[in-house]
Amino acid sequence: GQQLNQSPQSMFIQEGEDVSMNCTSSSIFNTWLWYKQEPGEGPVLLIALYKAGELTSNGRLTAQFGITRKDSFLNISASIPSDVGIYFCAGSHRDDKIIFGKGTRLHILP
Amino acid sequence: DAGVIQSPRHEVTEMGQEVTLRCKPISGHDYLFWYRQTMMRGLELLIYFNNNVPIDDSGMPEDRFSAKMPNASFSTLKIQPSEPRDSAVYFCASSFTGGVTNEKLFFGSGTQLSVL
Repeated sequence: GQQLNQSPQSMFIQEGEDVSMNCTSSSIFNTWLWYKQEPGEGPVLLIALYKAGELTSNGRLTAQFGITRKDSFLNISASIPSDVGIYFCAGSHRDDKIIFGKGTRLHILP
Repeated sequence: DAGVIQSPRHEVTEMGQEVTLRCKPISGHDYLFWYRQTMMRGLELLIYFNNNVPIDDSGMPEDRFSAKMPNASFSTLKIQPSEPRDSAVYFCASSFTGGVTNEKLFFGSGTQLSVL
């Protein structure tokens, strides 16, 4: 079945640094999504991407839909303490299934 | 809007007992998804419904798991009998397609299940 490989699994960065994470798929996706999960809560949608090559921003967050349609990237600029959490990539192909990666845990050092 | 409401927030039970998790999706949403989250496997899609009809249950681990959606405002996920390996956080999510796409999932706060 479809699999999403997300990397890195965890990150420890200093406040103010930029963050990059990515996601690769074993198959082509029509839609790429990035979610954030905070402790004790469900994931919340950050950015949705619909076309190969698309670059979309949401405040300090920027995500890109890879040209091959098998990968996506998320960047966070000038990280702040509230950016802490687990970031998930997700994708869907032709059907309605939304498949999630295993997440990148972001830790911010003061 | 109250968002997706799940109950209970926490459930502790003994192996062999029946467990029922409940979900109220956002009013007007036509898709409902059940996911299971563990450290080892991440977020796994168990089953999803469209207009109260189960569309794909290929993610349901085994016959001990069953899900129903008797109406547009309520769904249950039942485990009978429960086993320790079922311990996980179970999330319900809903979305509205408007006839287009359904990727904007709204998640509930989850049910933390512990089977002893």
